[in-house]
Amino acid sequence: NAGVTQTPKFRILKIGQSMTLQCTQDMNHNYMYWYRQDPGMGLKLIYYSVGAGITDKGEVPNGYNVSRSTTEDFPLRLELAAPSQTSVYFCASSYGDSLNQPQHFGDGTRLSIL
Amino acid sequence: AQSVTQLGSHVSVSEGALVLLRCNYSSSVPPYLFWYVQYPNQGLQLLLKYTSAATLVKGINGFEAEFKKSETSFHLTKPSAHMSDAAEYFCAVTKAAGNKLTFGGGTRVLVKP
Repeated sequence: NAGVTQTPKFRILKIGQSMTLQCTQDMNHNYMYWYRQDPGMGLKLIYYSVGAGITDKGEVPNGYNVSRSTTEDFPLRLELAAPSQTSVYFCASSYGDSLNQPQHFGDGTRLSIL
Repeated sequence: AQSVTQLGSHVSVSEGALVLLRCNYSSSVPPYLFWYVQYPNQGLQLLLKYTSAATLVKGINGFEAEFKKSETSFHLTKPSAHMSDAAEYFCAVTKAAGNKLTFGGGTRVLVKP
């Protein structure tokens, strides 16, 4: 099993450009999450999904969109990149809620907006 | 609202010495607490979790944490540091029946030979 796979690993964007961060998991997990990690701030939840066709906002959703058309995939879309979105992005998945099932993380996408 | 505070963004320990990472939480309901570790250029891995079964929780790689309700703390310890323990450690909390983690700011551990 590959676990949680994120692509790309690194990306540089210009202000105003758009891009999609890809996330796929092969563990048949129903819960998936997107976080951003800024230095000294820990991880903050952007969006999450409890199953195909269901998404909901986390703590910092502004400037992002998500979709969940399949159990395996949970892409994160940046429509108009801004310097404030420079961060490391992590996708995670779990079989159930985090009380009993740990979240499994991908290796991250390091994104710079210039 | 719940929150997590990790005291000390950087900790330096000598190989073989005690590792102590501090975590305090605030929550209006009984919390569920977690410690994650992040090695360079990798995602987070679960070290251990507290879900009210026992106040002293043992995790992987020789780490353990003790839940102290009176102090609202969940400090992480390891008796003897190893070079491979150099990483960033995150404390996180979630409420009962919740599925969203709130993370602390992280503590980066440096192990000196």
